[in-house]
This record gives sequence, C-alpha cells and structure tokens, in this order.
Amino acid sequence: SQTIHQWPATLVQPVGSPLSLECTVEGTSNPNLYWYRQAAGRGLQLLFYSVGIGQISSEVPQNLSASRPQDRQFILSSKKLLLSDSGFYLCAWSWTGREYLFFGSGTQLSVL
Amino acid sequence: GIQVEQSPPDLILQEGANSTLRCNFSDSVNNLQWFHQNPWGQLINLFYIPSGTKQNGRLSATTVATERYSLLYISSSQTTDSGVYFCAVGTDKLIFGTGTRLQVFP
Repeated sequence: SQTIHQWPATLVQPVGSPLSLECTVEGTSNPNLYWYRQAAGRGLQLLFYSVGIGQISSEVPQNLSASRPQDRQFILSSKKLLLSDSGFYLCAWSWTGREYLFFGSGTQLSVL
Repeated sequence: GIQVEQSPPDLILQEGANSTLRCNFSDSVNNLQWFHQNPWGQLINLFYIPSGTKQNGRLSATTVATERYSLLYISSSQTTDSGVYFCAVGTDKLIFGTGTRLQVFP
C-alpha cells in the first residue's frame, strides 16, 4: 500500500532563518506531488505541484521554493523565513492529478 | 482561476441530527473531492465524485456537474463527525473551498 511521510510535525524557526521540509511517498512510482499551506482559519492554498522529477509548477509567488530531486521526494524550502510564512504545511500525492488526493500529516511551522 | 464556495461556514448539531453541506464552483471540472479534517489536522478523503451520487455508510454525496455544485449529506451525526469539511475541485490540481466547520454535541 502507499504511504506518505512528512516531517517534522512541528517546527519553530526565527525570522530570517532557512527552511527545509521534506515529504516522501512509498509504494508508488511517478506520483503527482503537491504542497499546500493552511493559514490560521480553514482554507488550503496550493503552493506548488510536480508531475515529475525536476518539474515544478508554482501557484503563488512568494518566499518559498520547491524541488523534486527524486521520483518520490518533494522538498519545500526557503532561504529566509518571514513571519507570514507561519502556517500548517501539507504534502499530498495523487496518481494522475485526476484521482484521489492523499495527504501527509502536516508540519505546523511557527516563525517568530 | 476556479472559485469554490462552501456553505454554511459553521454548523452546530446535536447527535443524531442530519445535515447537508453545499459546494458551488465557478467552472467546469473533472475532479471533485470531499475531505474531512479532524481536530488533529489530518485530512481524510471522503468521496471522489466529479459527477453522480455515492454513498458510504452514513455519508453520501451528489455532484451535479452541469449546474456546478455538490452536496454532502451526513445522516445520524455522531460526535466523531466533528471537524472541518472541505470540497476541492479542479482538473490536474485541486483548489479547496474555505470549508464548513461542523460541531456535533452529545
């Protein structure tokens, strides 16, 4: 069966520090991969998605970047965190983008 | 881009009550899913339903693609149904609505 791993669960970082969040999927190959952010409140905002190694689509211009160095690995990064980067970050995968979307357990990021 | 609106934003029920959640979207889509986010933040798939009707236990969903809306029905609600319900729509990527926060009291 397929599983998605996301870590860490919580992270507290000072303003101006770098960020690296990692997500890996097991049990499937060539998945579509996604990073979402959920700010305080409810809505999920799509940040990046990838349909293959090295292929990244950015949905919202911001202080973040994403990379896909391996088929089942998706990394969210920042060189210098801002206060506004705080939020709940969720990684997700699907087989084709037109089927079920499966989420990881999320990372609660607090930038102080 | 696609706009997704969910209603009501908040819903408070007593155990055993039934409810209907609505999702309206602004453009044609070939992917529509309903999710439940539990109090610990985990998002769980409920339905993949770009059109038609599906049922799973006490939950059912109907999507009328030509009229650009979907409904999620919860019958005989339980306290474990509490959380936020999201509708997400799109083609190759999913855009989420702002959710309906459901609280079920014993």
